[in-house]
Amino acid sequence: GQQLNQSPQSMFIQEGEDVSMNCTSSSIFNTWLWYKQDPGEGPVLLIALYKAGELTSNGRLTAQFGITRKDSFLNISASIPSDVGIYFCAGQPYAGNMLTFGGGTRLMVKP
Amino acid sequence: EAQVTQNPRYLITVTGKKLTVTCSQNMNHEYMSWYRQDPGLGLRQIYYSMNVEVTDKGDVPEGYKVSRKEKRNFPLILESPSPNQTSLYFCASSLSFSGDGETQYFGPGTRLLVL
Repeated sequence: GQQLNQSPQSMFIQEGEDVSMNCTSSSIFNTWLWYKQDPGEGPVLLIALYKAGELTSNGRLTAQFGITRKDSFLNISASIPSDVGIYFCAGQPYAGNMLTFGGGTRLMVKP
Repeated sequence: EAQVTQNPRYLITVTGKKLTVTCSQNMNHEYMSWYRQDPGLGLRQIYYSMNVEVTDKGDVPEGYKVSRKEKRNFPLILESPSPNQTSLYFCASSLSFSGDGETQYFGPGTRLLVL
């Protein structure tokens, strides 16, 4: 299947710092999604992006759909301890198709 | 409360002993799927179902079976588990297969260890 390269694999930051992570693909995606997984839980959708160039915010989170449709990034501003978890990007090649997930970014926040 | 439930949450078994992981959703969703999560690989889709009696293979279907006899249930069956099926399994559902990033709701996960 298709591959999504997500980086970094892990981050250990100080509370209050900003965070940035991204996903890249060798092929075009029609939709980009960002999920967060808390320890012991299933992933929960944070942000969905539907158009190339789209920039969408959800509180302290901001995500962008790359203009080439082959990448996306997620920024978290002013991190807090409850931001800890694994963040996944996911792409959908075209409407009605399955999601392909990135490998995840494990975020650790030091109070 | 709208949710996806999985059982069991944790399971230790031995090679070759058939097992079933159940998944149930109470949202009248048409689309259901199973993923496995392994470190560094993210979530990979095993099987999915677009509606009752309609199932299809995902990216990693080998060694697994599924059935969709009722809309709410989508069990995952391992006929002869092997150690390489040790993983964290998630069931997910969404309203339809229409795509456009339609929200998939994930269950809490089932951690399986095959000895």
